[in-house]
Amino acid sequence: EAQVTQNPRYLITVTGKKLTVTCSQNMNHEYMSWYRQDPGLGLRQIYYSMNVEVTDKGDVPEGYKVSRKEKRNFPLILESPSPNQTSLYFCASSFFLGSSRDSPLHFGNGTRLTVT
Amino acid sequence: DAKTTQPTSMDCAEGRAANLPCNHSTISGNEYVYWYRQIHSQGPQYIIHGLKNNETNEMASLIITEDRKSSTLILPHATLRDTAVYYCIVRVASLVKTSYDKVIFGPGTSLSVIP
Repeated sequence: EAQVTQNPRYLITVTGKKLTVTCSQNMNHEYMSWYRQDPGLGLRQIYYSMNVEVTDKGDVPEGYKVSRKEKRNFPLILESPSPNQTSLYFCASSFFLGSSRDSPLHFGNGTRLTVT
Repeated sequence: DAKTTQPTSMDCAEGRAANLPCNHSTISGNEYVYWYRQIHSQGPQYIIHGLKNNETNEMASLIITEDRKSSTLILPHATLRDTAVYYCIVRVASLVKTSYDKVIFGPGTSLSVIP
């Protein structure tokens, strides 16, 4: 089944303790992206990647890191989490929109992170 | 900032058509209009997209004005399960892979389907 898999679904951690949220897709998509969602603010893009080893900042990249060493994986790293990073996080992927293929974003089921 | 604006909320009677508007007055020629919806806190779900022609699929219809500055998503016979937040976004398509592909979501429209 074509899907975007995020882990974990729920995570409670303490300030300053490094964590990684994993994202994997099995659709051979070039494009992957991370979003955070907070009440009343919609989805805000954190980072995105056009292909392996190609990443770029979204609108709210501060406090986050990403890497794209393999096409299927795009982990989100919080080196020193803070309470203002408490949020619902979504990973998404698609084909490169410039290709002839339709390129809707496929989203994972989300990771609810709480930083105390 | 989001490139689209949508009403904050709308109501629709069950069984009637739901017409959700979106303004994208600064859209450029190579930008597509995409619609997604999000039920509760699930991952957003793709509905439909278009460039300049009207589109229809099994879920909805998309009407894009001739000047492309606005569009309307139509759910022909709304059901209670269509209650969700609907997002209209624009996304650039390029024949050249660039590093620029920010996909910006606004707050969306909260649609309530009423029995």
